[in-house]
Amino acid sequence: AQTVTQSQPEMSVQEAETVTLSCTYDTSESDYYLFWYKQPPSRQMILVIRQEAYKQQNATENRFSVNFQKAAKSFSLKISDSQLGDAAMYFCAYSNSGYALNFGKGTSLLVTP
Amino acid sequence: NAGVTQTPKFQVLKTGQSMTLQCAQDMNHEYMSWYRQDPGMGLRLIHYSVGAGITDQGEVPNGYNVSRSTTEDFPLRLLSAAPSQTSVYFCASSYDGAQETQYFGPGTRLLVL
Repeated sequence: AQTVTQSQPEMSVQEAETVTLSCTYDTSESDYYLFWYKQPPSRQMILVIRQEAYKQQNATENRFSVNFQKAAKSFSLKISDSQLGDAAMYFCAYSNSGYALNFGKGTSLLVTP
Repeated sequence: NAGVTQTPKFQVLKTGQSMTLQCAQDMNHEYMSWYRQDPGMGLRLIHYSVGAGITDQGEVPNGYNVSRSTTEDFPLRLLSAAPSQTSVYFCASSYDGAQETQYFGPGTRLLVL
């Protein structure tokens, strides 16, 4: 199975500041999909952002954007103007087959006032 | 639309007991999957289905059975529960596969004594 690595178990950011969560992955495929999912304390998993590997343009969703570096196999998530509601566990995930989604171990984000 | 529903929310089992975790979706999604989430491990794929009558194993299938007799339902069966199966279980669905946005259920917390 493809490996997804999130090297930061915990991160902290002040309200209104910007934070970047790291994700690297291992694959020999050229066509695949990358995701960031958010899991707040309610435990509900919610999609934050999705990137198709064949698209060179980095995906953005409001205050959330990614830095997709295909050659480096890196897919970091930038959260701008952080809000208290952004506090959650963030999971990076990879899929190339349509059959399986491989998740990293997650980064816990704390947002301080 | 109710989205993806899971029952029960919480269950306590004794070692050796059997039970079925229910998952249903009302979005006419072809792809459904089951994950388990353990502390520090992210989400790991147990089984998935690409349509009614078609199921396959994921990363951690041992001790679990699934079937998909209808598009809407994808139950997960534990035939003989073990303490190692203590976990939070998530069901997810998408229109066409793991490369699409996954819609997750609220999770079932299972404790095996």
